[in-house]
Amino acid sequence: DVKVTQSSRYLVKRTGEKVFLECVQDMDHENMFWYRQDPGLGLRLIYFSYDVKMKEKGDIPEGYSVSREKKERFSLILESASTNQTSMYLCASSSSRSPLHFGNGTRLTVT
Amino acid sequence: QKEVEQNSGPLSVPEGAIASLNCTYSDRGSQSFFWYRQYSGKSPELIMSIYSNGDKEDGRFTAQLNKASQYVSLLIRDSQPSDSATYLCALWSNFNKFYFGSGTKLNVKP
Repeated sequence: DVKVTQSSRYLVKRTGEKVFLECVQDMDHENMFWYRQDPGLGLRLIYFSYDVKMKEKGDIPEGYSVSREKKERFSLILESASTNQTSMYLCASSSSRSPLHFGNGTRLTVT
Repeated sequence: QKEVEQNSGPLSVPEGAIASLNCTYSDRGSQSFFWYRQYSGKSPELIMSIYSNGDKEDGRFTAQLNKASQYVSLLIRDSQPSDSATYLCALWSNFNKFYFGSGTKLNVKP
């Protein structure tokens, strides 16, 4: 079974803090994704990566950056957290043209 | 035009009935199609993959794909209250992008 592990289930941060969300997958997948999900807005893609050190912007990259130094790890960085970044963050991985497998999510609250 | 379109629902069916969930897509070259189930507050869970025209059955679930009509559907037989969730249609487009629909909320009434 594919396992995608997100480092925190719940996280509370203050406005202006730099926040790191970590995601690790154990299936040697080349593709990794970060989404956020808010009530009534569905899944929105922030960034994705097709290979190590490679990244592409999704639909809502503003205020976020990512890092993929190793194939199994994809980090989402909030450079200066703001209250409008309070959300559920979901990491996923896949091999080429295969389904995405999700982690359990990180519910981030920015106060 | 959205890449993947779903009726947001809610779709209400009585327990034991067949629930029919539908999805249309715009990229005719799309090759891989998926259905996910998402319970409130949880992450999406893959329930079906379908890659070729026709039907694919797995237990109480049947996925149907019609590439000519650009249409994917999911049938849930003998619906149970535990099937109440949001169902997301998803695909890999011909341009190597992954898209989700906005989801259909299903309510199964006891």
